[in-house]
Amino acid sequence: NAGVMQNPRHLVRRRGQEARLRCSPMKGHSHVYWYRQLPEEGLKFMVYLQKENIIDESGMPKERFSAEFPKEGPSILRIQQVVRGDSAAYFCASSLSNRGGNQPQHFGDGTRLSIL
Amino acid sequence: TQLLEQSPQFLSIQEGENLTVYCNSSSVFSSLQWYRQEPGEGPVLLVTVVTGGEVKKLKRLTFQFGDARKDSSLHITAAQPGDTGLYLCAGPPRGFGNEKLTFGTGTRLTIIP
Repeated sequence: NAGVMQNPRHLVRRRGQEARLRCSPMKGHSHVYWYRQLPEEGLKFMVYLQKENIIDESGMPKERFSAEFPKEGPSILRIQQVVRGDSAAYFCASSLSNRGGNQPQHFGDGTRLSIL
Repeated sequence: TQLLEQSPQFLSIQEGENLTVYCNSSSVFSSLQWYRQEPGEGPVLLVTVVTGGEVKKLKRLTFQFGDARKDSSLHITAAQPGDTGLYLCAGPPRGFGNEKLTFGTGTRLTIIP
């Protein structure tokens, strides 16, 4: 049973380019979460999605960042016009149905984004 | 904003020693989770504590949830090099379930062989 799969594992972009990070949840999981981790820090919640719906995007910057989880295919975190401050590790997690619940989140191994 | 402060931030000890790391908040959490993260990998869930005063054991690791559900501790007995990693506590903010986790600042543990 494959875990949460993220790709690419490493992504290098120049300032002003777009970054697209992909996440395939664990089989049977319909809830996806994105977190950002800066060096030597804990994870910061960005967004929580169900299939075709954004449930909570309170942790995501209002500009340049967007996320989707289509009916078919992986969840995508998209960062437009990247800046140096976007350099970080971006982690995706998935779970079974979780609104108000206590289902554990299972994490992927992250995408390390570097902005030149 | 409900914050989780972890201490110490860094800890380096000899193999075979015991250690305790702490996760503290001024807010009440309905549950707290402990994760271990190794370099280049995602966090792996170790345990969830739910009830105030609860103690859970996982081999040489003992987790405790404070009576008031504002703090938690992780005690490792006879530390091994394989225990090296970043230990993170996390919990859902008030009014949320596990769909929205607040993570602590982390304790980076190094066990010296």
